[in-house]
Amino acid sequence: NAGVTQTPKFRVLKTGQSMTLLCAQDMNHEYMYWYRQDPGMGLRLIHYSVGEGTTAKGEVPDGYNVSRLKKQNFLLGLESAAPSQTSVYFCASSYEGIAKNIQYFGAGTRLSVL
Amino acid sequence: AQSVAQPEDQVNVAEGNPLTVKCTYSVSGNPYLFWYVQYPNRGLQFLLKYITGDNLVKGSYGFEAEFNKSQTSFHLKKPSALVSDSALYFCAVRDQPGGYQKVTFGTGTKLQVIP
Repeated sequence: NAGVTQTPKFRVLKTGQSMTLLCAQDMNHEYMYWYRQDPGMGLRLIHYSVGEGTTAKGEVPDGYNVSRLKKQNFLLGLESAAPSQTSVYFCASSYEGIAKNIQYFGAGTRLSVL
Repeated sequence: AQSVAQPEDQVNVAEGNPLTVKCTYSVSGNPYLFWYVQYPNRGLQFLLKYITGDNLVKGSYGFEAEFNKSQTSFHLKKPSALVSDSALYFCAVRDQPGGYQKVTFGTGTKLQVIP
């Protein structure tokens, strides 16, 4: 069972470069999320999606864009990377209904912006 | 606004001793509460949740948590710690009203089990 797969696992960018992080889930989940994890700050929600073709802002959306063209994929884009975006990024997905609160996480993408 | 606090950055416990990782929360209504565990270089894994009913919730790997409404706490416990329990533990909360509700995660507590 693949679960939630994130690519790439590591990336180094220069300030101003762009990149896209890919998240794929094979559990037919409706909900998908992007978080960033920074020391001492826990997980902070960047954007989320409650279904194919829909996206919404989380608590730290600035500098990021997302798309959910297919149910199984959730893409996170950085148009012009900044050093403040150095972080570990996690994608997660979950079911609808009462079980939707159990989130399944990918292994993370470690991003450094120089 | 909902929030969750994990007052200890790190908890050290000897192998075989009981362990407790503390969590307190704040929501406007009734809470859904969760514990997740993160091993090095891995994503978070679900351990257990409280939705309603029995205040003592049992989860994976022998962990349990006690919901205390009067103290707004949801502490994670295990009767006998293993070295393999060493990891980062996150408490999370969301408000119960219907529709999509954001889950708020705590800052995490590093558990170190000493052989």
